[in-house]
Amino acid sequence: EAQVTQNPRYLITVTGKKLTVTCSQNMNHEYMSWYRQDPGLGLRQIYYSMNVEVTDKGDVPEGYKVSRKEKRNFPLILESPSPNQTSLYFCASSSGTAHGYTFGSGTRLTVV
Amino acid sequence: AQKVTQAQTEISVVEKEDVTLDCVYETRDTTYYLFWYKQPPSGELVFLIRRNSFDEQNEISGRYSWNFQKSTSSFNFTITASQVVDSAVYFCALRTTTDSWGKFQFGAGTQVVVTP
Repeated sequence: EAQVTQNPRYLITVTGKKLTVTCSQNMNHEYMSWYRQDPGLGLRQIYYSMNVEVTDKGDVPEGYKVSRKEKRNFPLILESPSPNQTSLYFCASSSGTAHGYTFGSGTRLTVV
Repeated sequence: AQKVTQAQTEISVVEKEDVTLDCVYETRDTTYYLFWYKQPPSGELVFLIRRNSFDEQNEISGRYSWNFQKSTSSFNFTITASQVVDSAVYFCALRTTTDSWGKFQFGAGTQVVVTP
């Protein structure tokens, strides 16, 4: 089944403790992206990637890191999480600029 | 810069009423793509439709229809004879091909509540 898989689904952590949210797609898509969703703000793009080793900042990149060492994987790294990063995170992949993104099921992160 | 505006925060209707969701976009690009996604209470994001900037034909899919008008930079979505299962948040999105190759801009979303 074609899908984007992100883990974990739920995560509660403490301020300052580094964490990684994994994302993997099995559709051989070039483009991958991370979004965060907050009430009243919709979905905001954090980072995106066109291919291996090619990434760029979205609208809200502060406090996040990404890497694209393999085509199928695009992990999101929070080096020092803070409470304002409590949010619902979505990973997504796309086959090209003319196409929409296919989204993962989401990761609900709480930073206390 | 590109921008998507969904001015309606929430729309409440009674089942079988029609509901129209507004989407206004801004871009300097001549080639772009517009999308609608549905997010039901379960939380996943479901793709509904894609429209490219050169195709202004309206589209109908079952009870869903879309009206794309470049002159007003709008891509509105209508649900005809709404059902309780249509209750969800609906997002309009814009993707350009020349400005920022990977950027995919969402509007803030419109919550649709359909009551029996």
